[in-house]
Amino acid sequence: SQTIHQWPATLVQPVGSPLSLECTVEGTSNPNLYWYRQAAGRGLQLLFYSVGIGQISSEVPQNLSASRPQDRQFILSSKKLLLSDSGFYLCAWSRRGSYEQYFGPGTRLTVT
Amino acid sequence: KQEVTQIPAALSVPEGENLVLNCSFTDSAIYNLQWFRQDPGKGLTSLLLIQSSQREQTSGRLNASLDKSSGRSTLYIAASQPGDSATYLCAADSNSGYALNFGKGTSLLVTP
Repeated sequence: SQTIHQWPATLVQPVGSPLSLECTVEGTSNPNLYWYRQAAGRGLQLLFYSVGIGQISSEVPQNLSASRPQDRQFILSSKKLLLSDSGFYLCAWSRRGSYEQYFGPGTRLTVT
Repeated sequence: KQEVTQIPAALSVPEGENLVLNCSFTDSAIYNLQWFRQDPGKGLTSLLLIQSSQREQTSGRLNASLDKSSGRSTLYIAASQPGDSATYLCAADSNSGYALNFGKGTSLLVTP
């Protein structure tokens, strides 16, 4: 069976510090990978998606970037965090040729 | 851009009642519509996915319908239980098929 992991589960970082969130998927190959953010009082927003190693598409301009160094690894980064980056970050995956997405447990980021 | 709206924002029902959650979307050119459940502080659990060629999907006590022409979907929960208490999210994809556009959810409380 397939599983998706995210870490850390929670993170408190000061404004201006760097960020690295990691997501890995097990039990499948060549997945599509996604990063979403859920901010307080707002719906989930797609930040990035990837259809292969090194292939990243950004949905919204922001202070964040994403990378996919390995087939089943997806990393969300920032060089300098802003207060507005606080939120619940969710990673998801889908099989090639399928649009059904499966979500990880999420990372709660608080920028102080 | 696909806009997704969910009504009501919150719902409280006694155990045993049948209930309907509503979702509307602005762009009928979708590939799929997906319903999720989110427990507080947790990731999303996929409940049902309806492909654009389908009218409904069923899983246990859950039934989801899709009417593309009117831009609506409903999630029907039969014989509700306290364990059904959670936030239910509806998501419709975009023309690219990759981005899921989420509503803000319906927060459901089933009281014993």
